[in-house]
Amino acid sequence: DTAVSQTPKYLVTQMGNDKSIKCEQNLGHDTMYWYKQDSKKFLKIMFSYNNKELIINETVPNRFSPKSPDKAHLNLHINSLELGDSAVYFCASSRSERGLAEEQFFGPGTRLTVL
Amino acid sequence: KQEVTQIPAALSVPEGENLVLNCSFTDSAIYNLQWFRQDPGKGLTSLLLIQSSQREQTSGRLNASLDKSSGRSTLYIAASQPGDSATYLCAVKGNQGGKLIFGQGTELSVKP
Repeated sequence: DTAVSQTPKYLVTQMGNDKSIKCEQNLGHDTMYWYKQDSKKFLKIMFSYNNKELIINETVPNRFSPKSPDKAHLNLHINSLELGDSAVYFCASSRSERGLAEEQFFGPGTRLTVL
Repeated sequence: KQEVTQIPAALSVPEGENLVLNCSFTDSAIYNLQWFRQDPGKGLTSLLLIQSSQREQTSGRLNASLDKSSGRSTLYIAASQPGDSATYLCAVKGNQGGKLIFGQGTELSVKP
């Protein structure tokens, strides 16, 4: 299946832990994104990478560090997890950020719960 | 700063009705507008993408329109079905690195 995939689907962890969420797309896209959906269902951009290069960092705390080993993968590592980090995290991709009118395709989301 | 608003926040209709969901945005300098569907506990499914140069897009029972100058888009759903029940999100892409700015969604419930 051609798609944007994320692992894990659910992540429950204690405050203060470090965790990672992985994202992969096999659509051949150059640009990948991380969005956060809060408890009120509001979706907001966190990061965007184009061909492994960071192009958007939306004033996210330094505890969040995206890593793009290649253009098909964009992982999100979170240090020292806090209660407020509980949310659903969505990965997305588009053909190219340079073609600004490109459609974005979303992964199924990772529900992070910090206890 | 771009802001996207969706009205109504929730809508309940009987099966078979035609309905309109509204989306407005404050900055008309957009590249495109995308309508998504989100089922409970699931990801986002892209429904329709309207480029800034287009006025409307159609897919099956769905029709989305765009009036960039007035900062509005509508999603028209014909002959609604219970399976259409979901949250519908609109998002605009401006000139800030390709990021989408989302509205807060309209939660649609279609009753059999």
